[in-house]
Amino acid sequence: RKEVEQDPGPFNVPEGATVAFNCTYSNSASQSFFWYRQDCRKEPKLLMSVYSSGNEDGRFTAQLNRASQYISLLIRDSKLSDSATYLCVVPQNFGNEKLTFGTGTRLTIIP
Amino acid sequence: DGGITQSPKYLFRKEGQNVTLSCEQNLNHDAMYWYRQDPGQGLRLIYYSQIVNDFQKGDIAEGYSVSREKKESFPLTVTSAQKNPTAFYLCASSLGSLNTEAFFGQGTRLTVV
Repeated sequence: RKEVEQDPGPFNVPEGATVAFNCTYSNSASQSFFWYRQDCRKEPKLLMSVYSSGNEDGRFTAQLNRASQYISLLIRDSKLSDSATYLCVVPQNFGNEKLTFGTGTRLTIIP
Repeated sequence: DGGITQSPKYLFRKEGQNVTLSCEQNLNHDAMYWYRQDPGQGLRLIYYSQIVNDFQKGDIAEGYSVSREKKESFPLTVTSAQKNPTAFYLCASSLGSLNTEAFFGQGTRLTVV
């Protein structure tokens, strides 16, 4: 199993809809998780951190399922500006912290 | 202002030449990372470093080299041994503990001509 796996999409979703995508991870000892947003030809920027069961920030909700080893990102009332690639990050501590990214999920919001 | 700076933004290299990409941070972060991103793909880890004078290979280290002589600097050399060097290179830094976010530079777009 890969350290971090994401559905690459693309997800094409009408404006105003709710969309969710998952990220699975292999290291059951992982304690923290992050969702980043990357716009085309730009650097990734932090969207949300997840340390316990979940986190909510406005229209965005991240949830952690430790038993099944995945985190999810839910976007409600999607806006055109939400179109981006969403990257899941799971720090891997193998003596030295290795920061592993998923391949990213591409989201396009359609007017 | 604190941040992480990569230079240059665009870089052209002739085939067979080595080239060094700069990454500097003034965030007092212990950990630094180099990633490669190809069009439509995710980020793949090249090298990472937790402390000065120490670094580890990531998933795609072949054809690359790094140094960490100073805490604030983590330059990446793309050698002639790297078969497909054309890509977007991203440098990141973090405090180094498991619960902290990583901050990215704006990236260097390398093209081999």
